[in-house]
This record gives sequence, C-alpha cells and structure tokens, in this order.
Amino acid sequence: RKEVEQDPGPFNVPEGATVAFNCTYSNSASQSFFWYRQDCRKEPKLLMSVYSSGNEDGRFTAQLNRASQYISLLIRDSKLSDSATYLCVVNPRGTGRRALTFGSGTRLQVQP
Amino acid sequence: NAGVTQTPKFQVLKTGQSMTLQCAQDMNHNSMYWYRQDPGMGLRLIYYSASEGTTDKGEVPNGYNVSRLNKREFSLRLESAAPSQTSVYFCASSAGGGQPQHFGDGTRLSIL
Repeated sequence: RKEVEQDPGPFNVPEGATVAFNCTYSNSASQSFFWYRQDCRKEPKLLMSVYSSGNEDGRFTAQLNRASQYISLLIRDSKLSDSATYLCVVNPRGTGRRALTFGSGTRLQVQP
Repeated sequence: NAGVTQTPKFQVLKTGQSMTLQCAQDMNHNSMYWYRQDPGMGLRLIYYSASEGTTDKGEVPNGYNVSRLNKREFSLRLESAAPSQTSVYFCASSAGGGQPQHFGDGTRLSIL
C-alpha cells in the first residue's frame, strides 16, 4: 500500500463549481499535512497546511480526519486558474525518514 | 528574493557522461532535498540532507551522489548517466523535516 494515495483524476468541472479531493495516508503517526499545487511543467508550490480542526483560505478548505486517516481539499467557485495538479503531502513520523511524502497528485481541469 | 535556485535549467547528456546539478537556497533552511519527477508520476525522493553535514538516501538513490557543501548548497551528481535518468529534477529546502518545502523551478535532463 502506498504511503499516500490520491485519485489521479482528471476532475473536469465547469467554472463556478465546487470540487473536493480526498487523500488517504497509511502512517497513523503522521503529524503534518499539506496541500501543494503543481502547474504543468512547473515546480510544486505550497497551497495550504492542514490543521486538525480544519482550516480555510479564501475559496479553499482543508479538513483532516485522523480516525479514518484521510485529508480533503474543497475548492468553491472554481476558476479557470485553479486548473492544476493538487498534491497531498504528509510528514510520516516514526519512519526515521526526516522528509515529507508526496502523493502522486489529482489533476483538476476547470472548463469555461 | 530568489528562494531556491537550480542550475542548469536544461541539459542534454550522452549515456555515460557525468554531470552535477547545483542547488542553492537563501532562506537559511536546515534541510534540503533532491527529487525526480517522471511523466505521469509523482515526486520521488532521491536524497536529502536534514542538516549541514548530513545526507541520507531517499526512495531512489541508485546512480546518484550528493554533497551538502554548506548550509546553502546541495548538489546532485550523476557519475555515469543512463537513459533511465531522463527526468525533471527538483531541489527543495525546508526549515526542518516536517516543515513545508520550497522548490526550485527544476532541471530538465535528457540522456540520449
């Protein structure tokens, strides 16, 4: 089982739609969680951290469910500029590896 | 405000040639990382350096060596390039192992 699993998509949605991605992680000791965004042929960029109580940044809402070991990202009022690949990222505590683990990403295509 | 700088941005090599990819960060980060990303795949960690003077293997270290030259610089060396090493290489840095990583804009490497 992969440490971090995401549905690769693509998710094709119209402008203005609400879309949600889930990501599951295997290490129950994981402590830090993030969502990154990667545009085609560009470097990944931090979108937002994910906190235990859930957090919001404008149109983006992130949730963490420790019991079920998944995190989610909700995008409201989708814009064309939201088209990108969204990477779920986890800090796998207890593995001895002091580095984050990146999921393979979920591709979002927002259509006019 | 440069962040993470990678050189070169593009490179074509012949099988068996060697080269070094350079990475420097100006954020006073302790940890630095090298990833490769192949088409349709996620980021795979090659090597990382949790702090100056230390390096550790990641998921796919074979065929690579690294040097943490000082706190700012972390280089990746291919001693004898193989076509399987054709990829996009990203360098990243973070304040610590569980902290968000900041990426350079990548090196596109083709090995013929």
